[in-house]
Amino acid sequence: EDKVVQSPLSLVVHEGDTVTLNCSYEVTNFRSLLWYKQEKKAPTFLFMLTSSGIEKKSGRLSSILDKKELFSILNITATQTGDSAVYLCAAPRMNRDDKIIFGKGTRLHILP
Amino acid sequence: DGGITQSPKYLFRKEGQNVTLSCEQNLNHDAMYWYRQDPGQGLRLIYYSQIVNDFQKGDIAEGYSVSREKKESFPLTVTSAQKNPTAFYLCASSTRDRRSSGANVLTFGAGSRLTVL
Repeated sequence: EDKVVQSPLSLVVHEGDTVTLNCSYEVTNFRSLLWYKQEKKAPTFLFMLTSSGIEKKSGRLSSILDKKELFSILNITATQTGDSAVYLCAAPRMNRDDKIIFGKGTRLHILP
Repeated sequence: DGGITQSPKYLFRKEGQNVTLSCEQNLNHDAMYWYRQDPGQGLRLIYYSQIVNDFQKGDIAEGYSVSREKKESFPLTVTSAQKNPTAFYLCASSTRDRRSSGANVLTFGAGSRLTVL
């Protein structure tokens, strides 16, 4: 059965700390892995990873994919209270149905 | 500006009533999706449609129905058969063009929160 598993499910840190969020996957005909940030309503797109070992970076956020070990990490350095959100990991199943499999998310709370 | 519009944002209904949630997109996307989100559950797929006049059940389709008569529109009906309909509902769309760098990158609407009294 296709699945995406995120850990931890919940994380509380102090402002300025660095956090690492994990995502492992088992998805038929894997092609890409996606990270989203969800604050109050609609998830917003962060990264799409398709190649192993190539880091994608956006400000204090970075992410990397390991296709051999079937996982990805999302790093956030020098965290700020505005980083508090649920971070979702997803992988499209690239067969006839193109179904997108989501993990349960990591709820990150940054204390001031 | 292109995007996805869901309505209503908040909806209250009595038990046993059917309700329909609207989802409209002007992104020219072929694929559209409905997800349900409950606290601590992540996103669970209800129905999805890859093309007009065609749709497939997701993981939790029981008690829901959809239609896809137009490319831009994918309404979701929560029927009285849905045992626990109170939830946050998210609609999303994506291009299916695998030549596109945005293939399968979902764009989400702002969501509809349904409360059944």
